[in-house]
Amino acid sequence: DQQVKQNSPSLSVQEGRISILNCDYTNSMFDYFLWYKKYPAEGPTFLISISSIKDKNEDGRFTVFLNKSAKHLSLHIVPSQPGDSAVYFCAARRGGSNYKLTFGKGTLLTVNP
Amino acid sequence: SQTIHQWPATLVQPVGSPLSLECTVEGTSNPNLYWYRQAAGRGLQLLFYSVGIGQISSEVPQNLSASRPQDRQFILSSKKLLLSDSGFYLCAWKGGSNEQFFGPGTRLTVL
Repeated sequence: DQQVKQNSPSLSVQEGRISILNCDYTNSMFDYFLWYKKYPAEGPTFLISISSIKDKNEDGRFTVFLNKSAKHLSLHIVPSQPGDSAVYFCAARRGGSNYKLTFGKGTLLTVNP
Repeated sequence: SQTIHQWPATLVQPVGSPLSLECTVEGTSNPNLYWYRQAAGRGLQLLFYSVGIGQISSEVPQNLSASRPQDRQFILSSKKLLLSDSGFYLCAWKGGSNEQFFGPGTRLTVL
């Protein structure tokens, strides 16, 4: 039972354009959502997060949107840069769970120069 | 600042051999610690977590075990490795914020 789903295994965009990475979840008990970026053979790096009481959080080129009614969140990267090319993981935390995270399978983003 | 170390970085082991992966955290005290595994083509699966010394919770039944002998040390072990234990093992810590921060990982190949 996959509670966090990233249905696009890969995404390719041109440098300077917007990258939109999507994530869906099924567990209504999730109260905190995170995005991580991962390069091959390295550990994931925390990017940005959002609490379930908000619908948007912005940090520089990265914005995360949360639609609770649709159980959907997205990560927008504007403008996209070649260095953004990596696997992006969506993660969700269930309240009262000792901060355990449930991860999606990831989306490989390729930003072409 | 906080840092997290994992070693070894890569490991090739025969089936049936033992395993010990170590994770240590610096610059924080009493962190929550986590072991994840990323198998080929899959996301990150939580294996174990610990909220304190000697306190281990297992998330999935498996061939592995974990221990936390010191506040900032987390060890992943196996008595006899299986082929299916191959993967990329990641240690993570959580301090006062909601985010988890990951180590560099260990690539384990079981032959």
